[in-house]
Amino acid sequence: QVQLVQSGPDLKRPGASVKVSCEASGFTFTEYYMHWVRQAPGQGLEWMGWINLNTGDTNYAQRFQGRVTMTRDTSLSTAYMDLRRLRSDDTAIYYCARKYVEGGYSLDYWGQGNLVTVSS
Amino acid sequence: DIQLTQSPSTLSASVGDRVIITCRASQSINIWLAWFQQKPGKAPKLLMYKASSLESGVPSRFSGSGSGTEFTLTISSLQPDDFATYYCQQYSSYEWTFGQGTKVEIK
Repeated sequence: QVQLVQSGPDLKRPGASVKVSCEASGFTFTEYYMHWVRQAPGQGLEWMGWINLNTGDTNYAQRFQGRVTMTRDTSLSTAYMDLRRLRSDDTAIYYCARKYVEGGYSLDYWGQGNLVTVSS
Repeated sequence: DIQLTQSPSTLSASVGDRVIITCRASQSINIWLAWFQQKPGKAPKLLMYKASSLESGVPSRFSGSGSGTEFTLTISSLQPDDFATYYCQQYSSYEWTFGQGTKVEIK
């Protein structure tokens, strides 16, 4: 069965970086994009960007340009999201979610989420 | 980027009610709209894609319609499991966006 398993919670200081991982199983990794979406406590969903798991091409939301990097390791079927220069308002649950490369589908499977807390 | 505005923000309804949630886009997104359901402490769950296509395994009481800038999610007969927050999401542009959410509460 399809699974996206994310790394555990993180506590970071302001100005630090965090790298969240998302290990995929149960499907052909390179036939999908991996998107990252975050949700601040009590708030709505915020789209951060995607990576093409085959080519490695990326597309980031403008507000995260220069601070985020999405990568993948096809040998480990794992996608990563690296967010730098963390601020307190980056405190959120970070989700990975897959999208099939073809057709008009959206995000059909999601990871369980990873709480990143930014605090001094 | 394309803004999505959902209405209402909160909806109080009873089991068995017909519920309609609206999502308006700031510019045309054709049919590139999805709907998600989220329960507290859980990841979002895909309900609909391409505005009116029902995701596999989602009950048929959920339906979606619309194109261009105006879309609706309808729950034909609200069930206890449906009390949750619902989000629309557009994937017409390179910059994806979500609506602000509609919380469906027990009346």
